Amino acid sequence: DADVTQTPRNRITKTGKRIMLECSQTKGHDRMYWYRQDPGLGLRLIYYSFDVKDINKGEISDGYSVSRQAQAKFSLSLESAIPNQTALYFCATSEAGAENIQYFGAGTRLSVL
Amino acid sequence: QKEVEQNSGPLSVPEGAIASLNCTYSDRGSQSFFWYRQYSGKSPELIMSIYSNGDKEDGRFTAQLNKASQYVSLLIRDSQPSDSATYLCAVREYSSASKIIFGSGTRLSIRP
Repeated sequence: DADVTQTPRNRITKTGKRIMLECSQTKGHDRMYWYRQDPGLGLRLIYYSFDVKDINKGEISDGYSVSRQAQAKFSLSLESAIPNQTALYFCATSEAGAENIQYFGAGTRLSVL
Repeated sequence: QKEVEQNSGPLSVPEGAIASLNCTYSDRGSQSFFWYRQYSGKSPELIMSIYSNGDKEDGRFTAQLNKASQYVSLLIRDSQPSDSATYLCAVREYSSASKIIFGSGTRLSIRP
């Protein structure tokens, strides 16, 4: 089984719908991250969490929210999806003090029509 | 907003040659620099990290850092078709040590 698991792997939704992307990890890491990847723009940080009680905005948090339900689970929600949120979304984890070594999930490809 | 700049490529290199990938960054206070490799349709994986000026070698890979010029590079010797991927340069922010800024990546193609 993968250490960092994202569900679903692919999702097509319509404008205005609420959607949740889920991430779970078995690595025992405290730190979890959500990124989106767009062609030509690289990986951009949406939100990150140092532990269950600590949530921080990244560079592009508008239109997104997150929930850290447990150390192992970090969910990303799009409250009202719009077409420019069509992207590849990655969850990542790292150990405290070793943030440079990030372990990525396989990604969720989201299309908003 | 701190920036990490890379040439998007594609960079085409013959098999067996040296591939040279370059990256510049804007945050002069940054101390930690990384190269991630991402195969098409896959997730990024860390392949090199460098923290001091100079060269760091790991097998066929050499990372080079010049903080005065705010420049970091990755050399791949004896390039193989399996090296064909997108290479992401990443820099750990000085002001927020837990955040990493990624470049947009350089697509490398090794031709047989």
